[in-house]
Amino acid sequence: AQSVTQLGSHVSVSEGALVLLRCNYSSSVPPYLFWYVQYPNQGLQLLLKYTSAATLVKGINGFEAEFKKSETSFHLTKPSAHMSDAAEYFCAVSGGSNYKLTFGKGTLLTVNP
Amino acid sequence: EAGVAQSPRYKIIEKRQSVAFWCNPISGHATLYWYQQILGQGPKLLIQFQNNGVVDDSQLPKDRFSAERLKGVDSTLKIQPAKLEDSAVYLCASSSGTGQVETQYFGPGTRLLVL
Repeated sequence: AQSVTQLGSHVSVSEGALVLLRCNYSSSVPPYLFWYVQYPNQGLQLLLKYTSAATLVKGINGFEAEFKKSETSFHLTKPSAHMSDAAEYFCAVSGGSNYKLTFGKGTLLTVNP
Repeated sequence: EAGVAQSPRYKIIEKRQSVAFWCNPISGHATLYWYQQILGQGPKLLIQFQNNGVVDDSQLPKDRFSAERLKGVDSTLKIQPAKLEDSAVYLCASSSGTGQVETQYFGPGTRLLVL
């Protein structure tokens, strides 16, 4: 069985500030981990994915995430928030026989001017 | 390259009515997924197709939901009869294979409101 917990359903930051969105996972097999972003009235877009290579993963739009096995975490960060980053972010884990994606409940990021 | 297409974008129906959603995946993608996203939650997989065969439908409420993928290309998801708790966004996604690291590409979704 696999699951994802996203800490904080809503995160608010100022423009130019650090963005930190937290994700912890549970998986009985070595996991593959993903971060997706969803803008209003749109589908999900892949930001980055961890595939058991480098533990620090760089994605699009300046985002990156670090896989920490000892902490079962895959937190998403961006050094400087931009207004266009305002969206909902979903962490997901893939594992098991059919590689099903299990999503967290999401974190809504608001960016204040 | 065209993305995943879905229609309609919005649908309002009354409970006990039926409704159908359509999805056309990215050309050449063998795997197609239907997800249900209830407000305030992450997407939940309803059914996964590999070509025109079902890989996983363990979370599909089969007494009211059905899906098909004829000819291994586009797909329809049907709800009959609808319940209030079916109000959600229905997302279709596709990927080129079924590997663990395959990227799933999502359509814009169909927002269903059941009154």
